[in-house]
Amino acid sequence: KQEVTQIPAALSVPEGENLVLNCSFTDSAIYNLQWFRQDPGKGLTSLLLIQSSQREQTSGRLNASLDKSSGRSTLYIAASQPGDSATYLCAARGGADGLTFGKGTHLIIQP
Amino acid sequence: GAVVSQHPSRVICKSGTSVKIECRSLDFQATTMFWYRQFPKQSLMLMATSNEGSKATYEQGVEKDKFLINHASLTLSTLTVTSAHPEDSSFYICSARPGTGGDGELFFGEGSRLTVL
Repeated sequence: KQEVTQIPAALSVPEGENLVLNCSFTDSAIYNLQWFRQDPGKGLTSLLLIQSSQREQTSGRLNASLDKSSGRSTLYIAASQPGDSATYLCAARGGADGLTFGKGTHLIIQP
Repeated sequence: GAVVSQHPSRVICKSGTSVKIECRSLDFQATTMFWYRQFPKQSLMLMATSNEGSKATYEQGVEKDKFLINHASLTLSTLTVTSAHPEDSSFYICSARPGTGGDGELFFGEGSRLTVL
């Protein structure tokens, strides 16, 4: 059974810093991996989707990488802003099933 | 991007009553939708896979008679929590994938917060 782990569980950094969020998964036979953002009490916003054949995806200040063989993905946030404060979730998908989520990284960007 | 709408966003009910949550794909058709549950400070857990025109597939530990899922059309799936109890209080989120293919991105609803008194 797939298990997804996110490190760190919480992170607080000053505005402007570049940061990396880590995600690991136990079963490397994934279909794709998706990064989400969740604001308190809200639903999920999809940030980046990486197919199993891809190694990275970029959107604006966000870059996500995927290393299937080692079961790892990272989300890189450049020049962080207070508006980036949220919980970031990664989720792995194995086939036609729904996603397996990590517990998330709670990110606070200090103004 | 594609839009998935959930209703209601918040619901408070008395113990023993039933609550229905709707999940609609507004600008695409989805043969498959997924229902998740999130308890405070926990990750989202897949509850069931909703298949249009057929029975839902439930994850281990999820009571199918308590969480009734109906996927009557390609744009609507409903989750009914029957005889709700305080331990059912949670954040329920649905997701859907456009089309019938398996490699598309999943889009999520805004979630429905259920509080059972």
